[in-house]
Amino acid sequence: AQSVTQPDIHITVSEGASLELRCNYSYGATPYLFWYVQSPGQGLQLLLKYFSGDTLVQGIKGFEAEFKRSQSSFNLRKPSVHWSDAAEYFCAVGAQSGAGSYQLTFGKGTKLSVIP
Amino acid sequence: SQTIHQWPATLVQPVGSPLSLECTVEGTSNPNLYWYRQAAGRGLQLLFYSVGIGQISSEVPQNLSASRPQDRQFILSSKKLLLSDSGFYLCAWSTLSPGTEAFFGQGTRLTVV
Repeated sequence: AQSVTQPDIHITVSEGASLELRCNYSYGATPYLFWYVQSPGQGLQLLLKYFSGDTLVQGIKGFEAEFKRSQSSFNLRKPSVHWSDAAEYFCAVGAQSGAGSYQLTFGKGTKLSVIP
Repeated sequence: SQTIHQWPATLVQPVGSPLSLECTVEGTSNPNLYWYRQAAGRGLQLLFYSVGIGQISSEVPQNLSASRPQDRQFILSSKKLLLSDSGFYLCAWSTLSPGTEAFFGQGTRLTVV
């Protein structure tokens, strides 16, 4: 079965600083990978996704992520963080379940705080 | 375009009372439908998913049940709520194609008192 690990529960960065949120996955085949963002009390919004091809994926709000098969990682990056980026970020892997249906499995999330 | 509606946004229910949360999707047909629960520090836990009318798969044993009476309607229910059922519940949909992302509703904050 697939799994996702987000090692950092909470990260604090200063506004304008660069950001990297870590994500490691476990899956036997080529995964479908996603990053979502959640503002407090809201649903999840898709930031970007990786299916195949170029391993550097561009998303909305200036975010990008790089797929590294050798490290089973899909880290999210942003060159300069804005105060509005404060939120919780979830990495997910999409894969066929044992019952044959397609499911997304999420990590436990990383909460990002931004210092003005 | 496709939209997903989930209600109510917040709910406070006493222990032992029933529960019904509803989710509907517009603008697509035959979607995969999902119910997730989110507890602080525990990420999103998949509770149920459905690939078609009347087809429900449960991921974890619990006090909850799900039903899909229509193609684009997904309902989360309980006959008797427990304190441990408190949490943030999210409905989501995706297409049947592998590799597609899931689209989420705005969530329901359930507090069992």
